[in-house]
Parts: sequence; C-alpha cells; structure tokens
Amino acid sequence: KAGVTQTPRYLIKTRGQQVTLSCSPISGHRSVSWYQQTPGQGLQFLFEYFSETQRNKGNFPGRFSGRQFSNSRSEMNVSTLELGDSALYLCASRSGSYFGPGTRLTVT
Amino acid sequence: GENVEQHPSTLSVQEGDSAVIKCTYSDSASNYFPWYKQELGKRPQLIIDIRSNVGEKKDQRIAVTLNKTAKHFSLHITETQPEDSAVYFCAASYNQGGKLIFGQGTELSVKP
Repeated sequence: KAGVTQTPRYLIKTRGQQVTLSCSPISGHRSVSWYQQTPGQGLQFLFEYFSETQRNKGNFPGRFSGRQFSNSRSEMNVSTLELGDSALYLCASRSGSYFGPGTRLTVT
Repeated sequence: GENVEQHPSTLSVQEGDSAVIKCTYSDSASNYFPWYKQELGKRPQLIIDIRSNVGEKKDQRIAVTLNKTAKHFSLHITETQPEDSAVYFCAASYNQGGKLIFGQGTELSVKP
C-alpha cells in the first residue's frame, strides 16, 4: 500500500496570498487529521475529518479551513497568509497512525 | 485547556544505557497515548501507543507506562543505540487519536 502522500512538498508564498494543500491518506483509511509544526510551537492540531465531516477543529483563526472528499482525500486552505504561517504542515491518516511527509510552507 | 507537558527537552545518553522521557496530561478524558519518533527532516513515526485501560506495554526495547491517577505516562528505551537518536514526541487524545495534543518533544542523543 502506498503511504500517506502530501502535495506540494514545498511552497513559497507572499503575505496576503492564499494556499491550498492536499493530503491523500492510505487507501481504505477514512480519517485525516492536519497538524502544523513549527520550532517554537511544536505540533499543533488543526482539524480532523472522517467521512467528509469535520469532527474536531483546533484553535486556529478562521483563515484556516479544510475539507474532505468522498475518496477521503483532504485539502486545507489558508487565506490571507501571514509570516507566522510559515511551517511544516503534516497530515495523518487513521487517527495519527501514519503521517505524511508534510508540506513546507514559507511565507515571505 | 488541553495541555501535555514533556520532560526533559534534551537527553544525552551513552550507547547501551536506558533513556526515560516523561509526560503529564491535563485532560482527564484522555484515553489514548501514542509516542512518535521524528528524525531530522522526516515525518513523525508512531513507535508505540497505550490506551487508558492498560498500565504498561512493551515492544522489544521500548516500553510505555501509564498512571491515570497521576495523569503521567512515560517512554522507556533500553539498550539505546545511535540510531535511536531523534526527537521523541508524546501525545494524548480523548477520541482515540483523532485529535492529538502533543508534548513539546525531547531531543535524544545516543553517543557511541
């Protein structure tokens, strides 16, 4: 089975722009959760999706949103990017059992 | 609110020694406690987990203990090897891992 995949792997954006990140869980896994990893704040929970429904949301501003499709693939969107959004964004399938490689977002 | 405290932040041991990392959680509803190993530039990897109905779990050189009363859980690595060097994260969840609250991480260095 292929592992959890994330695209793109690296992204450079400018303040004020928006970005969409994609995550494909392992085939058959219906849950996807998203985390932001930074040196200062560590790993912080963003959202959890199961069967296209958001089950949990972390303490992030409304600029952070997400969704899940019927094939379990998930996207997260960040609008009006700020410098502080620079981070590694990780997704995980099956309740944290398997993490993807992450998308490294740099906001300039 | 939900919080997980992890200690120490750095740990240096000699090859062959044991390493212990400790975590404390605040949410008494937490029922799932995984541990992750993250090597530099790589994704977190689940190495062991424990559920609230179990006090201890062991997998080869790795063991985890849970004290629900004190809200403490610990990772024990015996006979450490240089390839054990990495950052280790503990986490707690009240919904079996769907939402994980992570500790701040422990950078383990095993010196040959």
